[in-house]
Amino acid sequence: GENVEQHPSTLSVQEGDSAVIKCTYSDSASNYFPWYKQELGKGPQLIIDIRSNVGEKKDQRIAVTLNKTAKHFSLHITETQPEDSAVYFCAASSGGFKTIFGAGTRLFVKA
Amino acid sequence: EAQVTQNPRYLITVTGKKLTVTCSQNMNHEYMSWYRQDPGLGLRQIYYSMNVEVTDKGDVPEGYKVSRKEKRNFPLILESPSPNQTSLYFCASSVQGLNTEAFFGQGTRLTVV
Repeated sequence: GENVEQHPSTLSVQEGDSAVIKCTYSDSASNYFPWYKQELGKGPQLIIDIRSNVGEKKDQRIAVTLNKTAKHFSLHITETQPEDSAVYFCAASSGGFKTIFGAGTRLFVKA
Repeated sequence: EAQVTQNPRYLITVTGKKLTVTCSQNMNHEYMSWYRQDPGLGLRQIYYSMNVEVTDKGDVPEGYKVSRKEKRNFPLILESPSPNQTSLYFCASSVQGLNTEAFFGQGTRLTVV
């Protein structure tokens, strides 16, 4: 079945450094790739998304890139801050009613 | 305030005792869904609903039931809970379900002993 692999499972960076989380999907029909941030004790919240007709999207310190040929997409956070510490989930959807999530990346930003 | 509300937030129950986790959204969304979150497995979809009286199975539906009698409510029912259903559960809603942002509830942590 469809699958989304996410790496790394844990990431620790120094405040001000960049963080990169990578995902690979298996369903070539996938055309929507959201990223969610989950803070402790809360539900996931959308931080950025990208559609298959776009290769890159940026929103302030956050950017997402998509390589459809390789079925890879990545989240880039620049100038990390302690409040960026959270669990991040990538996901892929093919326009049906199912969204497949990655296993999550726990990001620690050390002050 | 636009939100998805789940109740209860925490629940400890015994094997075999029927329970219901409620979910309500105030955004008039057609699409609602239930997920369970387990360490190392991410979010796995249990059931989803495209609109009132229309529901379908997700990836891990065994042991769960749902209903959608009203647009705003989508309860998750465990008829006979077992310890392997101990998990963190999330309800989510979105405008269509087709490539749109999902709004998640705060989560329900369920322990079955």
